[in-house]
Amino acid sequence: DQQVKQNSPSLSVQEGRISILNCDYTNSMFDYFLWYKKYPAEGPTFLISISSIKDKNEDGRFTVFLNKSAKHLSLHIVPSQPGDSAVYFCAAMGNSNSGYALNFGKGTSLLVTP
Amino acid sequence: DSGVTQTPKHLITATGQRVTLRCSPRSGDLSVYWYQQSLDQGLQFLIQYYNGEERAKGNILERFSAQQFPDLHSELNLSSLELGDSALYFCASSVQVGVSGANVLTFGAGSRLTVL
Repeated sequence: DQQVKQNSPSLSVQEGRISILNCDYTNSMFDYFLWYKKYPAEGPTFLISISSIKDKNEDGRFTVFLNKSAKHLSLHIVPSQPGDSAVYFCAAMGNSNSGYALNFGKGTSLLVTP
Repeated sequence: DSGVTQTPKHLITATGQRVTLRCSPRSGDLSVYWYQQSLDQGLQFLIQYYNGEERAKGNILERFSAQQFPDLHSELNLSSLELGDSALYFCASSVQVGVSGANVLTFGAGSRLTVL
């Protein structure tokens, strides 16, 4: 069963605008959420995380928002740059059958056009 | 370079065969994780080892097995291969298994397996 869901397979945004990537989860026991970025022919790289006791975490152009009641999180990239074009994976960690391993969504492919 | 090394990068084999994928974790990391990424699928957790011992199992098939050696490198063995096993296999490492913060995994570049 997919406990972390990214319902938008792709997103296209103009350079300089805001990119908003969404993620939903089903397991209320998750206590950390992470976003990873993946370029072709490379492994995923860590971008930003948020604890379940927070509702916002910001790192430069990247901000993650968490709405626990809705079991929803989002990644905002402002301003978007062409180099941000990649696949973004949402991941969650917590008390689950997979221990402290990360549960990943299927990813959203972001294209930032000049 | 993430510090996590995976070999081989590419592997082509036939159905029914057996292959071994190798992973060297980042220096100082004791936990190794294996993930499978099939076409149009997210990263599916297979198995985790911590300091040589199995710690958690995900959706790993019985035809697949793994181990972590005393030098902390890990191998994923895939046997009786089927067409559907064609995928990218990622290894990741982290410094600890019990965490007080986010368990940030560092991934290797992956091994692409093609079963013909």
